[in-house]
Amino acid sequence: QVHLQESGPRQVKPSETLSLTCTVSGASVSSSYCYWTWVRQTPGKGLEWIGDIQHTRNADYSPSLKSRLTISLDAPKNEFSLNLNSVTAADSAVYYCTCSGNFWGQGVLVTVSS
Amino acid sequence: EIVLTQSPGTLSLSPGERATLSCRPSESVNSGFLAWYQQKPGQAPSLLISAASIRATGVPDRFSGSGSGTDFTLTISRLEAEDVAVYYCQQYLTSPYTFGQGTKVEIK
Repeated sequence: QVHLQESGPRQVKPSETLSLTCTVSGASVSSSYCYWTWVRQTPGKGLEWIGDIQHTRNADYSPSLKSRLTISLDAPKNEFSLNLNSVTAADSAVYYCTCSGNFWGQGVLVTVSS
Repeated sequence: EIVLTQSPGTLSLSPGERATLSCRPSESVNSGFLAWYQQKPGQAPSLLISAASIRATGVPDRFSGSGSGTDFTLTISRLEAEDVAVYYCQQYLTSPYTFGQGTKVEIK
């Protein structure tokens, strides 16, 4: 069983950078077991695939976010991270990390507000 | 990007009835790359079906998936109260790996 836990600031100011970390247990981020993925959900709305990273550190991003987005892997800490810069209110959402959709973190609500 | 259209938006049925949920991709999706998720209120999504028809571990056999190309279906054979949720399809054939907008299942 793979367990994932998101962490990071719950509030970010407009134009600043949203940074989240997903801590993984039960699997190694250095293995090919999963595509380590970020998904977000705006309040009352549906799911949006943000991007993913493989154990090779090859990352794939949503075209709509690509210019502002970095997903990275920290093997020694068994974590992967999301950095989204120049945020606006439209980036307020629940952010989930997931192992190829098979296992999900509980999600973290991030609000962009001054 | 591939757009997934789910219908109906909301399905309201009595316990024991059959629920049929549709997911139609804008382009053909190889059936090996279509998943269904269940999201109960206040919870993260959970995987129900992968590869269009393969139930995830622990998923009751009243849930089944079928379809190919541009027409996929999730069926709940006998609806139970615990099935109240929003159901999403996702294609993972072509990046970005898009989700449908969801179908909300309610109990009458």
